[in-house]
Amino acid sequence: QVQLQESGPGLLKPSETLSLTCVVSGYSISSGYYWGWIRQPPGKGLEWIGSVFHSGKTYLNSSLKSRVTLSVDTAKNHFSLRLSSMTAADTAVYYCARDRHDGLDVWGQGTTVTVSS
Amino acid sequence: DIQMTQSPSSLSASVGDRVTITCQASHDINKYLFWYQQKPGKAPKLLISDASNLEIGVPSRFSGSGSGTVFTFTISSLQPEDLATYYCQQYENPMVTFGPGTKVDIK
Repeated sequence: QVQLQESGPGLLKPSETLSLTCVVSGYSISSGYYWGWIRQPPGKGLEWIGSVFHSGKTYLNSSLKSRVTLSVDTAKNHFSLRLSSMTAADTAVYYCARDRHDGLDVWGQGTTVTVSS
Repeated sequence: DIQMTQSPSSLSASVGDRVTITCQASHDINKYLFWYQQKPGKAPKLLISDASNLEIGVPSRFSGSGSGTVFTFTISSLQPEDLATYYCQQYENPMVTFGPGTKVDIK
């Protein structure tokens, strides 16, 4: 059974950089698929941040592209998100998911990130 | 960029009712439309892929149809556990866009 688990800090100050990791179990990242990040501000809808292929190739939301770095570590079987220059508008639940490119079929439980001084 | 709209934004229906949600894409996306269910406080769950293919384990009361720019999602007989927000999603390969969601309440 494929499972994903996000980890990272729950609270950041404005201008700081968010670093999140998603550990994958039950499936080897190097076997294929894309691996994506999605966020959801409080009370709002879903926003795709980007996806990274097991080779390291990335596809990013154009509205966040300048601030986002995605990476994958096949040895540790995890992938990561860095989002720079955080503001209150980046407060959200951040999800990682397996991106089959015909659907995001396995999701982590989500981690809440709050940006506040 | 392809824009996605959903209607209605919310609805309230009784147990046993037939519920239909519409998703419209700003450009032709063929059949590459996906439907998710998000229950309160939980991660989204993929229900339907490629407009009409039910994911394994998803109850048969859920169905989807459509192609091109207009798609529909149907719950044939609403159950109490179907209280959730439903999102459509498309790939403008390889970018991902979600619709704004439809909140389904039980009367």
